[in-house]
Amino acid sequence: DIQMTQSPSSLSASVGDRVTITCRASQSISRYLNWYQQKPGKAPKLLIYDASSLQSGVPSGFSGSGSGTDFTLTISSLQPEDFASYYCQQTYITPWTFGQGTRVEI
Amino acid sequence: EVQLVESGGGLVEPGRSLRLSCAASGFTFDDYAMHWVRQAPGKGLEWVSGISWNSGNTAYADSVEGRFTISRDNAKNSLYLQMNSLRVEDTALYYCARDRWATVTKLSKWFDPWGQGTLVTVSS
Repeated sequence: DIQMTQSPSSLSASVGDRVTITCRASQSISRYLNWYQQKPGKAPKLLIYDASSLQSGVPSGFSGSGSGTDFTLTISSLQPEDFASYYCQQTYITPWTFGQGTRVEI
Repeated sequence: EVQLVESGGGLVEPGRSLRLSCAASGFTFDDYAMHWVRQAPGKGLEWVSGISWNSGNTAYADSVEGRFTISRDNAKNSLYLQMNSLRVEDTALYYCARDRWATVTKLSKWFDPWGQGTLVTVSS
């Protein structure tokens, strides 16, 4: 199975901060990498697909980059509604594994 | 509005069975592959199983292979997960989610949207 490792596991930030979360795959996954946001008590929501494509309706403050084994999710200016957990997911090969998550806290 | 609503969760003893359902609405159900993803309390996301639009392809995580069976009824716009020989470690919130494509074998997929989940607790 492909292991997905996110860092950091949690971070504290302030409104307006630029936040970067990284995700590393245990083998190359080309650009088959998605990012999801999950707020407490809610279902995950797709933010980014294919490493850098913004899902419809997602604010432009979110961006993704990377290919191969190393990927990044960036929030350009953290908003109050962005405090949540974020997960990466590889969709290169089954099982379609997720990272362990990154909690973004105030 | 696209909507997925899971049901069927509950408290069950180890070794017993449970069947989850996911009712889909607001889109053409048989245009899409579907998945089950679970989340243990306070933990991360784990993909469980997926099924193509015509049930022609299915896939399972190693942790549930041979114990869980995914199925769908396109006439009823419904997805199912039959869970047998349940273990304590199967305790989780189970989500159903829609694939980007009609088949589970196609690359460049995503899971969107997701239902709100149904809680399965396995305990004696």
